[in-house]
Amino acid sequence: QVQLMQSGAEVKKPGASVKISCKASAFTFSTYYMHWVRQAPGQGLEWMGLINPRDASTDYAQTFRGRLSVTRDTSTSTVNMELSGLTSGDTAVYYCAREAGRLKDFDYWGQGTLVTVSS
Amino acid sequence: QSALTQPASVSGSPGQSITVSCTGTSSDVGGYNYVSWYQQHPGKAPKVMIYAVSNRPSGVSNRFSGSKSGNTASLTISGLQAEDEADYYCCSYTSNSTPYVFGTGTKVTVL
Repeated sequence: QVQLMQSGAEVKKPGASVKISCKASAFTFSTYYMHWVRQAPGQGLEWMGLINPRDASTDYAQTFRGRLSVTRDTSTSTVNMELSGLTSGDTAVYYCAREAGRLKDFDYWGQGTLVTVSS
Repeated sequence: QSALTQPASVSGSPGQSITVSCTGTSSDVGGYNYVSWYQQHPGKAPKVMIYAVSNRPSGVSNRFSGSKSGNTASLTISGLQAEDEADYYCCSYTSNSTPYVFGTGTKVTVL
């Protein structure tokens, strides 16, 4: 069955960067856009960015442009999300999600990765 | 890009029907039939319940339905059950510089 397995929790200091991975299995990796969505504690969902694994093209939310980088490794069917310039406001659970092959919804989600930013 | 507007909470008794609204603009909800709805239980990842305004993925109960009128989309849960108690988020594709936007989220409580 389709699975998105994310890397483990991270604790970072303000100003640092964090890199989270999302390994896909049981589907043709290059065929589906992959997205990143985050959720701060007690808050709602926030769309961050996407990548087309076929050609590595990306699109990012304006809020994150300049400090967000989404990449992919087709040899391991893995998508990576790197966020730099961390502040306490970046403390959140980060999810990867697959865009369904239909009409711009997200049909499979990773389990989430908690990133805590604290001095 | 501001989040789509949802009521903070909606409640109903078992067996009743409730509706959650999601209001955007002509640049998002009103401009595209790309509205989806997600159910999220505490500590869990979101789960898609409705896609493309009114389509139900395989495996989702037919008690869940979606619709849209102008700049407002709606999720209706009929025959409310205890297991429906969760947070619900709408999401829309947009023509703005940020291509996707989520709603503010609605906590559904089964009384």
